Amino acid sequence: GAGVSQSPSNKVTEKGKDVELRCDPISGHTALYWYRQSLGQGLEFLIYFQGNSAPDKSGLPSDRFSAERTGGSVSTLTIQRTQQEDSAVYLCASSLGIHADTQYFGPGTRLTVL
Amino acid sequence: KQEVTQIPAALSVPEGENLVLNCSFTDSAIYNLQWFRQDPGKGLTSLLLIQSSQREQTSGRLNASLDKSSGRSTLYIAASQPGDSATYLCAVRPGANNLFFGTGTRLTVIP
Repeated sequence: GAGVSQSPSNKVTEKGKDVELRCDPISGHTALYWYRQSLGQGLEFLIYFQGNSAPDKSGLPSDRFSAERTGGSVSTLTIQRTQQEDSAVYLCASSLGIHADTQYFGPGTRLTVL
Repeated sequence: KQEVTQIPAALSVPEGENLVLNCSFTDSAIYNLQWFRQDPGKGLTSLLLIQSSQREQTSGRLNASLDKSSGRSTLYIAASQPGDSATYLCAVRPGANNLFFGTGTRLTVIP
């Protein structure tokens, strides 16, 4: 079946612009995660959605970052007033939502802020 | 705070060799541990997931072990092939909300 998809695959933007990154999770997966992978660093958790519960935003690095998940499916990660340090690969994952479950990752969006 | 360390950072082996990748974590209170591979410019592919109550999992030429009390996991790859070349990441799940990742081991299998 279809896996997690993300769009765009690459995004180049100018410093100060806003960007939106999209994630389509696997159908039926109630949990959705956003991670960031910066050059030379490991993956960093950003935000987690589970069903209709309030999202866990504890990993968001600043208030310029926000995310929403509409209808329990598609999610959008928004970065306002982008900075050069926001350049990274943004990865989305989904799972069936229970603790024990495997997370399935999308191919990521490579964001470059000039 | 949970910290995950992977050693070595990079590894180069000749084709056919068996190898072991190491992962250690500081907080043993985890739900599970997962091994991924990441190919250049691509997302992560899940290889094996070990529940906290399990000791090991096997899939084909891959075997992952977990010693939760000592905070260690190993990924054993048998009879390595050039197609195994990738970055291998381990990640622990302390709760429902996220994974803590190591920085990975970059494996190169030389034909």
